[in-house]
Amino acid sequence: QQQVKQSPQSLIVQKGGISIINCAYENTAFDYFPWYQQFPGKGPALLIAIRPDVSEKKEGRFTISFNKSAKQFSLHIMDSQPGDSATYFCAPSGGYQKVTFGTGTKLQVIP
Amino acid sequence: DAGVIQSPRHEVTEMGQEVTLRCKPISGHDYLFWYRQTMMRGLELLIYFNNNVPIDDSGMPEDRFSAKMPNASFSTLKIQPSEPRDSAVYFCASSYGVGTEAFFGQGTRLTVV
Repeated sequence: QQQVKQSPQSLIVQKGGISIINCAYENTAFDYFPWYQQFPGKGPALLIAIRPDVSEKKEGRFTISFNKSAKQFSLHIMDSQPGDSATYFCAPSGGYQKVTFGTGTKLQVIP
Repeated sequence: DAGVIQSPRHEVTEMGQEVTLRCKPISGHDYLFWYRQTMMRGLELLIYFNNNVPIDDSGMPEDRFSAKMPNASFSTLKIQPSEPRDSAVYFCASSYGVGTEAFFGQGTRLTVV
């Protein structure tokens, strides 16, 4: 049973545009909702994360929006830059459940 | 802290040989995870440890795979015998606890020919 569904699988955005990636989960015990960023040849690294007590968190150009009732959260990248080109993973966890990574979204920002 | 350290970075081996991947987690982290990444299957959790004890190994593909954590600063993932379909990038990660940031190593790229 797949607990985490991430979309889209790939995304091409022009420089300066907005990139939006979505993650849907099933386990209501999750209480930590992070997005990881992975560059080629590197391990994933935490980009931004949110706890369920807030609906939105912003760090610079990156924003997480969280919808607890819909069991979804999304990553918004404002003013997307070529340096943002990477693969992004959601990985909700908590409640002593093992971390399950989404399938990943390959983002390409074109100049 | 130098972060999570994995070795080797690259490993090329012949089918049937034993392969051992190594990981040194961040000091003070209670959780250690082993992941495998492939184009087809994405990032899969193989096994994770809490305080050196294996908690969930349901992601280990088969008996050819085994993992140990003899102490808080060292873990190994062993494949014996290796097969070409084991070719992937293997990541080790550590964290303070459930529901906290996981810190990943640089990974080991394994090629089985």
